[in-house]
Amino acid sequence: EIVLTQSPGTLSLSPGERATLSCRASQSVSSSYLAWYQQRPGQAPRLLIYAASSRATGIPDRFSGRGSGTDFTLTITRLEPEDSAVYFCQQYGDSPWTFGPGTKVEIK
Amino acid sequence: QLQLRESGPGLVKPSETLSLTCNVSGGSLTSSSYYWGWVRQPPGKGLEWIGSGSTHYNPSLKSRVTIAVDTSKNQFSLRLTSVTASDTAVYFCWVETAYYYGIDVWGQGTAVTVSS
Repeated sequence: EIVLTQSPGTLSLSPGERATLSCRASQSVSSSYLAWYQQRPGQAPRLLIYAASSRATGIPDRFSGRGSGTDFTLTITRLEPEDSAVYFCQQYGDSPWTFGPGTKVEIK
Repeated sequence: QLQLRESGPGLVKPSETLSLTCNVSGGSLTSSSYYWGWVRQPPGKGLEWIGSGSTHYNPSLKSRVTIAVDTSKNQFSLRLTSVTASDTAVYFCWVETAYYYGIDVWGQGTAVTVSS
């Protein structure tokens, strides 16, 4: 099973700043099948990025992903109050699919 | 626009079977590009993949879980046997609408509590 570790646990930033979230895998993620999700309180997760760097439909270009192998990054530029949420990474290249524990982004 | 809605009891007794259904609208489960399954989230915790399709299950749950599809009703279901308090969670059904696209459609989630 591929274990995903996310850092930092919590990120507290001001509107307009840039957030950089890390996701590290215990072994190489097949074909970079890594996704990022945003989950606001009381809501279902929302797909932001798939295949490590491709934005899902309707996701603004403030969200970008990069990485390969075992190291992946989600960057959110020009932070807005609505970006306050927990962000999860997920690998779906190998069974069992696994999720990281999440990074909480707080907007001051 | 594909929409999913979970249904089922919100309270299940320990040792009994949890049964949930995911009703799909705005698209057909017979689509060759659709892949579906279940994820759960214990209170205040992260996401746990339960299974995908009818054959891929989380090893930690495999002996207790069954996912089945009923294309005539355009729905799929989750059965989890011998539940304990640790199965208390919000259960989400999901659909991946294109190969290796990630989980792009989610149900709203349904809270299930295991308690006597």
